[in-house]
Amino acid sequence: GAVVSQHPSWVICKSGTSVKIECRSLDFQATTMFWYRQFPKQSLMLMATSNEGSKATYEQGVEKDKFLINHASLTLSTLTVTSAHPEDSSFYICSASGQNTEAFFGQGTRLTVV
Amino acid sequence: QKEVEQDPGPLSVPEGAIVSLNCTYSNSAFQYFMWYRQYSRKGPELLMYTYSSGNKEDGRFTAQVDKSSKYISLFIRDSQPSDSATYLCAMSTGGGNKLTFGTGTQLKVEL
Repeated sequence: GAVVSQHPSWVICKSGTSVKIECRSLDFQATTMFWYRQFPKQSLMLMATSNEGSKATYEQGVEKDKFLINHASLTLSTLTVTSAHPEDSSFYICSASGQNTEAFFGQGTRLTVV
Repeated sequence: QKEVEQDPGPLSVPEGAIVSLNCTYSNSAFQYFMWYRQYSRKGPELLMYTYSSGNKEDGRFTAQVDKSSKYISLFIRDSQPSDSATYLCAMSTGGGNKLTFGTGTQLKVEL
């Protein structure tokens, strides 16, 4: 299947700092990228949907000023958690899909805010 | 009522058993159905992708979709300890559209 690379796989940061997570589609053009958050033993919760060159569409309850999403090219999307706090600690996962294709997931990023 | 219902398990089976995993859904607009496998602390891995009622087979895995009953299944034949993971069903209204996930079923295949 298609390859989606997510980086970093884990990060520890201090409270109040910002963290950027990258998601790259390595062998296809991702017209749409999705960002999810997953708490232990729970399913994936969609945070936002981004289409290349457009502003991201955020799900209800997700602060767009806190979770900045950029999808500047067909192969790269970034999620920046701004002014991170311990309650932002979670597993963040991106997925990417091409035009009318299935979605492939990155490896996930475990964020710990101390 | 959730849009997608999935029994969280855990489900424990002996090695070699046939495993049946199921999801039901309420939104008749869902047209694309997927099964993902997720190991602990890893991203989900796509196993099966279907968009029509009926069966689709890939190796030891068979995906079954019954749109009239709004019910999908994943069968795993000759289950192996390496199949131990959480299995997530997901569905969307169109290719490339956002996915709605089930809660995931935790499967353990024991020696």
